[in-house]
Amino acid sequence: KNQVEQSPQSLIILEGKNCTLQCNYTVSPFSNLRWYKQDTGRGPVSLTIMTFSENTKSNGRYTATLDADTKQSSLHITASQLSDSASYICVVRSGATNKLIFGTGTLLAVQP
Amino acid sequence: ETGVTQSPTHLIKTRGQQVTLRCSSQSGHNTVSWYQQALGQGPQFIFQYYREEENGRGNFPPRFSGLQFPNYSSELNVNALELDDSALYLCASSLDVRETQYFGPGTRLLVL
Repeated sequence: KNQVEQSPQSLIILEGKNCTLQCNYTVSPFSNLRWYKQDTGRGPVSLTIMTFSENTKSNGRYTATLDADTKQSSLHITASQLSDSASYICVVRSGATNKLIFGTGTLLAVQP
Repeated sequence: ETGVTQSPTHLIKTRGQQVTLRCSSQSGHNTVSWYQQALGQGPQFIFQYYREEENGRGNFPPRFSGLQFPNYSSELNVNALELDDSALYLCASSLDVRETQYFGPGTRLLVL
């Protein structure tokens, strides 16, 4: 069964600290993997997209990594800000069905 | 902002009622996907419309139906509402079925 699992489920860090969120998937074949940020009560907003051949991609303070062999991705947030408080969702597009498969997200709270 | 709008923003209904949710896609986008997101969960795919035709459906009963208009805006209709239908309903538009999906802010539905 195609699945996307994220860890940790929730995370609390102090402003200015770094953190890393994990995503493991079993989707095969794999088309691409995207990290979304979702503020409470809002729609998800794309942060990065990675294809099979890409290992690392950065978007400001966000850096995503992908290991297609082990089917793992991570999202590293540097020098966290209060506005980073949100749910971060890992989404994998199936290469077979073209459908998006969502993880349950990691809820990040950044405290002053 | 993604340019995708949804209405209404919030809605309260009682069991057995019917509801219609609306989505205006981003200019130039011909594909609209609908998702249901329960509290603390990732979005679950309901269905997708491409050029006014349904293009894939998730594991939702027939009382969830939709349509897409010639201007590519879309509606989600839910009949015979149940308590478990309470969720954030997200629509996402894309240039084409394989392109990046841009999410709207969602409609929060509460069924009492």
